[in-house]
Amino acid sequence: AQTVTQSQPEMSVQEAETVTLSCTYDTSESDYYLFWYKQPPSRQMILVIRQEAYKQQNATENRFSVNFQKAAKSFSLKISDSQLGDAAMYFCAYEGGAGSYQLTFGKGTKLSVIP
Amino acid sequence: EAQVTQNPRYLITVTGKKLTVTCSQNMNHEYMSWYRQDPGLGLRQIYYSMNVEVTDKGDVPEGYKVSRKEKRNFPLILESPSPNQTSLYFCASSFVGQPDGELFFGEGSRLTVL
Repeated sequence: AQTVTQSQPEMSVQEAETVTLSCTYDTSESDYYLFWYKQPPSRQMILVIRQEAYKQQNATENRFSVNFQKAAKSFSLKISDSQLGDAAMYFCAYEGGAGSYQLTFGKGTKLSVIP
Repeated sequence: EAQVTQNPRYLITVTGKKLTVTCSQNMNHEYMSWYRQDPGLGLRQIYYSMNVEVTDKGDVPEGYKVSRKEKRNFPLILESPSPNQTSLYFCASSFVGQPDGELFFGEGSRLTVL
């Protein structure tokens, strides 16, 4: 079974600074997808960024980017120019390929942004 | 507006009193799923459905039932709720065959079982 590990239960960052959230996963598959979801205090789950394992290029979405290291099974999220609205729980998630549609989530990292 | 709608959003009930949490999506998604979220445990999948009349167990199915009689609806049934089912529940949906696998989530249902 796949596992997803987020080793940082809580993190904080100064407004306008950069922060990196860590995620590692365990799988024997070669084709899969990785995601970062954001959960603000409103509880809504919001997709931040996704990465296909077969793509070597790291995904980016505006201020959000990932460092995907397939051999190391690492998938970290970098948030640049942090804003107060970035304060939330962040979940790393894994989905197996070949039509799996099953998401395995990490336990989450609570990010605080200090004004 | 494309959305996944859950009801009720908040519910307090007592042990053993059957309840149903409804989930409806208006995006014609084939895949639907239920998760529960508990502090320190992240989200864990309860049940999922690949299409009408096709359902399967996730990681924590004990104490729950589901049905998928219509494509848009995927209710979660707690036949005899117990306090350990106190949790935040999320319904989610997506297209089958969509390569990026993005899930669309409902707003969550906070359930307390006394």
